[in-house]
Amino acid sequence: DAGITQSPRYKITETGRQVTLMCHQTWSHSYMFWYRQDLGHGLRLIYYSAAADITDKGEVPDGYVVSRSKTENFPLTLESATRSQTSVYFCASSEVISYEQYFGPGTRLTVT
Amino acid sequence: KQEVTQIPAALSVPEGENLVLNCSFTDSAIYNLQWFRQDPGKGLTSLLLIQSSQREQTSGRLNASLDKSSGRSTLYIAASQPGDSATYLCAVVNSGNTPLVFGKGTRLSVIA
Repeated sequence: DAGITQSPRYKITETGRQVTLMCHQTWSHSYMFWYRQDLGHGLRLIYYSAAADITDKGEVPDGYVVSRSKTENFPLTLESATRSQTSVYFCASSEVISYEQYFGPGTRLTVT
Repeated sequence: KQEVTQIPAALSVPEGENLVLNCSFTDSAIYNLQWFRQDPGKGLTSLLLIQSSQREQTSGRLNASLDKSSGRSTLYIAASQPGDSATYLCAVVNSGNTPLVFGKGTRLSVIA
């Protein structure tokens, strides 16, 4: 299917576990982004990528790792999950960093 | 550091009313401003993008205006409908290759 997909849609994990959230886009957009959305904080940028093997930190990168070996995929890894990382995570893509972004449906992550 | 503010945080109006959502930003040196819509449990959908050289953009019943010098944008929704109920977010791109900076959104409820 065309578009941007995220998996899993829902995830419950325990403190200290490693978790990887997947993001896949079919448009061959250059840029991909990871955001987290929390009540009271709005949408905050975690990491973004301008192309394969090029990544950059956003506003809240601590505790997260990203990679981009292929243009279409941009996984986000929580190396040792903490309760403060309970959130809804959105992936997005755009052809140019300053142009409109297309968002995935989100992953609701709960860390117990 | 660019900051984006949206007031009010929530708004409830009767069906058929025309309404205005507000967005303000602290650094007027923006490249463009974007309005998004988010339905509950879903990702964001791009509505309108206004380049810094433009004063407004229209799409159907939506009209977005931009006043860079005062650091403000408004989203005007004409003849509101219950289907317009959602959270509306604005985001700005500063000049240069920088990512979007989002406001926290205004949650709109249109009552039938």
